[in-house]
Amino acid sequence: SAVISQKPSRDICQRGTSLTIQCQVDSQVTMMFWYRQQPGQSLTLIATANQGSEATYESGFVIDKFPISRPNLTFSTLTVSNMSPEDSSIYLCSARWGPGPQHFGDGTRLSIL
Amino acid sequence: AQSVTQLDSQVPVFEEAPVELRCNYSSSVSVYLFWYVQYPNQGLQLLLKYLSGSTLVKGINGFEAEFNKSQTSFHLRKPSVHISDTAEYFCAVSDAGGTSYGKLTFGQGTILTVHP
Repeated sequence: SAVISQKPSRDICQRGTSLTIQCQVDSQVTMMFWYRQQPGQSLTLIATANQGSEATYESGFVIDKFPISRPNLTFSTLTVSNMSPEDSSIYLCSARWGPGPQHFGDGTRLSIL
Repeated sequence: AQSVTQLDSQVPVFEEAPVELRCNYSSSVSVYLFWYVQYPNQGLQLLLKYLSGSTLVKGINGFEAEFNKSQTSFHLRKPSVHISDTAEYFCAVSDAGGTSYGKLTFGQGTILTVHP
């Protein structure tokens, strides 16, 4: 089955700083996604990251706050910019091969002080 | 736009008892349906999926789900649960085509707690 690796697995950051989360998949894939899971909540899609094009953001999420890179077919990054305590969440990346399901990494647990 | 409703936020059950976690969805187009499980401090693991064909789908760890198009439901069942099934379960839907193809919409999750 697919292997999706995320780094870091967790971090504690100061408000006003930025953190870049990396997502690596073990085989080439067209569609990668980034989700946010706030404490005690379900997953909300932040954006779709397709190689060779700008990420597509969902309503309520903007590129200045969550810039995304997708330099090739096995790697993507999400940056959480100018962090505040409200950004404390789990951030998950996923990938989708063909018409089947999305597969998820283990997530990055982010706490902002 | 799609939506997913998981009817129970928490389900307590005793070990070896059967369990059903309920999920209803709404969509104006054909859909794919999924159940994921999230263990503490882990990401999401796919339990099972419905893409097409038989409406009864079997997944890992003895779970199964039935797609009911008329009732727009996709309930998850297991005939006998174990302590290790304690986790949060998410129902999710994606369009089978169109501009939203590939995007997942999740339900709010159901915390299953299995007691000895």
